[in-house]
Amino acid sequence: EPEVTQTPSHQVTQMGQEVILRCVPISNHLYFYWYRQILGQKVEFLVSFYNNEISEKSEIFDDQFSVERPDGSNFTLKIRSTKLEDSAMYFCASRAGTGFDTQYFGPGTRLTVL
Amino acid sequence: QQQVKQSPQSLIVQKGGISIINCAYENTAFDYFPWYQQFPGKGPALLIAIRPDVSEKKEGRFTISFNKSAKQFSLHIMDSQPGDSATYFCAARTSGGYNKLIFGAGTRLAVHP
Repeated sequence: EPEVTQTPSHQVTQMGQEVILRCVPISNHLYFYWYRQILGQKVEFLVSFYNNEISEKSEIFDDQFSVERPDGSNFTLKIRSTKLEDSAMYFCASRAGTGFDTQYFGPGTRLTVL
Repeated sequence: QQQVKQSPQSLIVQKGGISIINCAYENTAFDYFPWYQQFPGKGPALLIAIRPDVSEKKEGRFTISFNKSAKQFSLHIMDSQPGDSATYFCAARTSGGYNKLIFGAGTRLAVHP
């Protein structure tokens, strides 16, 4: 069964450093998303991406965040200058875009900012 | 206001019992209501989902009940098993646009043998 993959599974970084989280959505899916989950809290929407551009973003997704689909398979989330409060699980999701279809989530990247 | 309220926060059920998790929403611009199951260290996995024009959907031991007028929906897990022990999130999908998911706060379910 096709699945969303994410790398790395765990990223440790120093405050102020840039990090790039990578995702490979399910092939032939058209809509891509990033969510985050602070430990013990609910999953929160960050950004959606369609047709090579951001379609919607939350207030969390400020100028320090960016997303990119550099090729036909990868979807990345970049945090330019990490803060302690960016420590969280980051989930990538994708969906086909065919009516009442489901978002499929990857296993997540645990980001730890020291 | 795009918000989904979920209760209870945690739930302990004996093996073979029924687990019931409730969610309520305020925004009527939701068009799809999935439930996700999450094990520690893993991503949310779709369990079952319902459209608002349906009042009930059953898949195996899992049933969603949906009350459109009350803006409430619930997950029932029949014959709960220790392997069902996980965190369950209800979600609501925004209609139109790019269909982001709004999640509830989650319910940590423990099924004791």
